[in-house]
Amino acid sequence: GAVVSQHPSWVICKSGTSVKIECRSLDFQATTMFWYRQFPKQSLMLMATSNEGSKATYEQGVEKDKFLINHASLTLSTLTVTSAHPEDSSFYICSARDRLAGTAYEQYFGPGTRLTVT
Amino acid sequence: LAKTTQPISMDSYEGQEVNITCSHNNIATNDYITWYQQFPSQGPRFIIQGYKTKVTNEVASLFIPADRKSSTLSLPRVSLSDTAVYYCLVGGARSGNTPLVFGKGTRLSVIA
Repeated sequence: GAVVSQHPSWVICKSGTSVKIECRSLDFQATTMFWYRQFPKQSLMLMATSNEGSKATYEQGVEKDKFLINHASLTLSTLTVTSAHPEDSSFYICSARDRLAGTAYEQYFGPGTRLTVT
Repeated sequence: LAKTTQPISMDSYEGQEVNITCSHNNIATNDYITWYQQFPSQGPRFIIQGYKTKVTNEVASLFIPADRKSSTLSLPRVSLSDTAVYYCLVGGARSGNTPLVFGKGTRLSVIA
């Protein structure tokens, strides 16, 4: 099946620094990728929709200047958390839809990135 | 996007069949029903998708009544490794820009 990878799988950074998380579709092309954030014991919350070659669309309440998204190719999207603070500590997950697949609701998720800001 | 309602949690013993029901009263004509499984500290994994009647794969079965206002995910003979959160999602036809919107899901605990 389709595989989505994320790098790094976990990262610890100091408050005020920036962290970049990569999301790659390994064996399919993804025109659109999605970024989610998940706090402990909670569901996934959609942060933004990443479109190849264009600006990302952010959900209400998500700061676009803090969470920079770049979708440079059909297989790579990056999320940069700028000036990270402890409250940004969370589990970040990306997903992608195979543009040749059947329905939009059959999407593939990365393994997630655990971010801890100290 | 159709809103879904699922039980918050369920417990089951190993070897039993588990049925998780999801209500989606305002499902649209072109909406599909999709179930995902999520283990702790992992991304969700696609389990099964259906539009009507019954769908079965190597992992689960999905039962959808004629009115499509609910659906039931059936896991045969669960094991400890099936302990996870199960999400029911409704939406989408063929639109690549449609994100998945997750509800609270059902936390299944399988007991030895």
